[in-house]
Amino acid sequence: EVQLLESGGGLVQPGGSLRLSCAASGFIFSSYAMSWVRQAPGKGLEWVAGTIGSGSITYHADAVRGRFAISRDNFKNTLTLQMDSLRAEDTAVYYCARWSRDDSNADFFDIWGQGTMVTVSS
Amino acid sequence: QSVLTQPPSASGTPGQRVTISCSGSSSNIGSHAESWYQQLPGAAPKVLIHGNNGRPSGVPDRFSRSKSGTSASLAISGLQSEDEADYYCAAWDDSLNGWVFGGGTRLTVL
Repeated sequence: EVQLLESGGGLVQPGGSLRLSCAASGFIFSSYAMSWVRQAPGKGLEWVAGTIGSGSITYHADAVRGRFAISRDNFKNTLTLQMDSLRAEDTAVYYCARWSRDDSNADFFDIWGQGTMVTVSS
Repeated sequence: QSVLTQPPSASGTPGQRVTISCSGSSSNIGSHAESWYQQLPGAAPKVLIHGNNGRPSGVPDRFSRSKSGTSASLAISGLQSEDEADYYCAAWDDSLNGWVFGGGTRLTVL
């Protein structure tokens, strides 16, 4: 079964750091780009960061660039999001999502994890 | 303020056809196919439709998408109570070099 399982969320003070992990199973992890998408309480979806299959190219949203870093370990089938200098506005459920491409060359997120909650508060 | 613009709400009665719009620009929807996601209360999002009306197994063909220029829409025909959920459009943006989402549309089945 194709599955993504996030972990590492919790309560952290403003200015603090947190490291999220996403364990992938049921597919060839290195063949797929991956992303993190977050959702603040009662708000919509916001893309955070993405990386291609090899991990050699990464993308980050303006809101997190310079503070967050996405990376992956294709031997451990794990996607990571290192979050530093956290702010109250980073409070959200963070989802790990598989970034796929279909036969018409259209990109989309086909598999999502259940999410992990990050709360930034003093 | 989301880069892709969706109406915050939509509604319909069982059996009706409803459409949800998603307006973007030349750097996102104008250049790339958008995809649509359904999020039921308390659950993770799931992909509904992508590309040339590609639907994952289990998603009925009552759901379809169309695109014209920099705007797209999701159509749901034969509306059912189980369709009550939040719906999001998303696309890659060449200017931002990242993904952009619509603000989401809450669909109510009356």
